[in-house]
Amino acid sequence: EDKVVQSPLSLVVHEGDTVTLNCSYEVTNFRSLLWYKQEKKAPTFLFMLTSSGIEKKSGRLSSILDKKELFSILNITATQTGDSAVYLCAVNTNAGKSTFGDGTTLTVKP
Amino acid sequence: DADVTQTPRNRITKTGKRIMLECSQTKGHDRMYWYRQDPGLGLRLIYYSFDVKDINKGEISDGYSVSRQAQAKFSLSLESAIPNQTALYFCATSDPARTGRYGYTFGSGTRLTVV
Repeated sequence: EDKVVQSPLSLVVHEGDTVTLNCSYEVTNFRSLLWYKQEKKAPTFLFMLTSSGIEKKSGRLSSILDKKELFSILNITATQTGDSAVYLCAVNTNAGKSTFGDGTTLTVKP
Repeated sequence: DADVTQTPRNRITKTGKRIMLECSQTKGHDRMYWYRQDPGLGLRLIYYSFDVKDINKGEISDGYSVSRQAQAKFSLSLESAIPNQTALYFCATSDPARTGRYGYTFGSGTRLTVV
């Protein structure tokens, strides 16, 4: 059974802090790892990673994948209150479907 | 208009009732999915479909059924709703050629309460 585990489950920081969210996985026929941000309702896509060691960046967010150790991290620097959300990690397999972790709830206080 | 539209947005129903959640998309994607999300948990796959003639069970399909009426429409039915099916339901679509840049496209969700 495919499994995706995220840590921590929740995190409270102050504006300006840097945070690191973790995602580890055990799946059959790994294809890619995806990060999503979920605010009020539907998740929105952030990154997709397929290769180890290549960092993806978008503004203050960055992510990297380690396929040997089977994990990924999502970094957010200089956090803002608008970063408050649930961050979901999902692993896509060659079967064409994604398995999601339980998410990390990030709260950024002013 | 939203790329992936779910109806209804909210629904309260009684135990034992049959209910259908509908999803339609204008993305032109072949692949469609139904997930449910419970508080504090991630998304769990109920059913998925790679084209009109292809329907597959996900990890939690018991108590649910689906219908892929057309490429653009994928409905989820609860034949006899029970309280532990109270959850937020998401429909999603994907195009495997473009998933790398965009991931899934999700609908806004249907909040279902079974009393």
